[in-house]
Amino acid sequence: QKEVEQNSGPLSVPEGAIASLNCTYSDRGSQSFFWYRQYSGKSPELIMFIYSNGDKEDGRFTAQLNKASQYVSLLIRDSQPSDSATYLCAVMPGTASKLTFGTGTRLQVTL
Amino acid sequence: GAGVSQSPRYKVAKRGQDVALRCDPISGHVSLFWYQQALGQGPEFLTYFQNEAQLDKSGLPSDRFFAERPEGSVSTLKIQRTQQEDSAVYLCASSLTDKETQYFGPGTRLLVL
Repeated sequence: QKEVEQNSGPLSVPEGAIASLNCTYSDRGSQSFFWYRQYSGKSPELIMFIYSNGDKEDGRFTAQLNKASQYVSLLIRDSQPSDSATYLCAVMPGTASKLTFGTGTRLQVTL
Repeated sequence: GAGVSQSPRYKVAKRGQDVALRCDPISGHVSLFWYQQALGQGPEFLTYFQNEAQLDKSGLPSDRFFAERPEGSVSTLKIQRTQQEDSAVYLCASSLTDKETQYFGPGTRLLVL
């Protein structure tokens, strides 16, 4: 079992719809969770981080964390073509500072 | 302020050559990380510095890989006797302190022929 798992996609949603990206992790001791966006040929760019169970909203983005289920998600409301990118879920364990990434989910927002 | 910078942005090396990749973190950031990203994969951790101390090098794939940060600012990742499997994007990230958000540089794309 991979430490951080994501569906590689592509996930295709029409413009204006809600995109839902999911991530599961195996280390129950994980403390911090991050979503990065990566455009093709570019480096990862932080979208959101979440530490506590529940929802965290920032503009069109909502991160959801459920530590009991070891599940993190990212919702993107009113999806735009500029949101088309790969979304990387990253987990920081409680005992270390390094990030463990999933393979990323490729999102395509269609006109 | 300026973000993380890396140089060179692209590097082509012949198999067996040594390469050195440079990272200049965000000013004042104590923690510095190196990751390797293969095509179609997420970044994978290589090594981590807190100031000049290398606290974790568990991700370095072989003894051909060596990293340093002698003055606690700029870091260099050196790969000796490069192999084709070393071809990847090498990402550097920095954070203000331990366990805080990591900000990535643009990466160095290494191609070993």
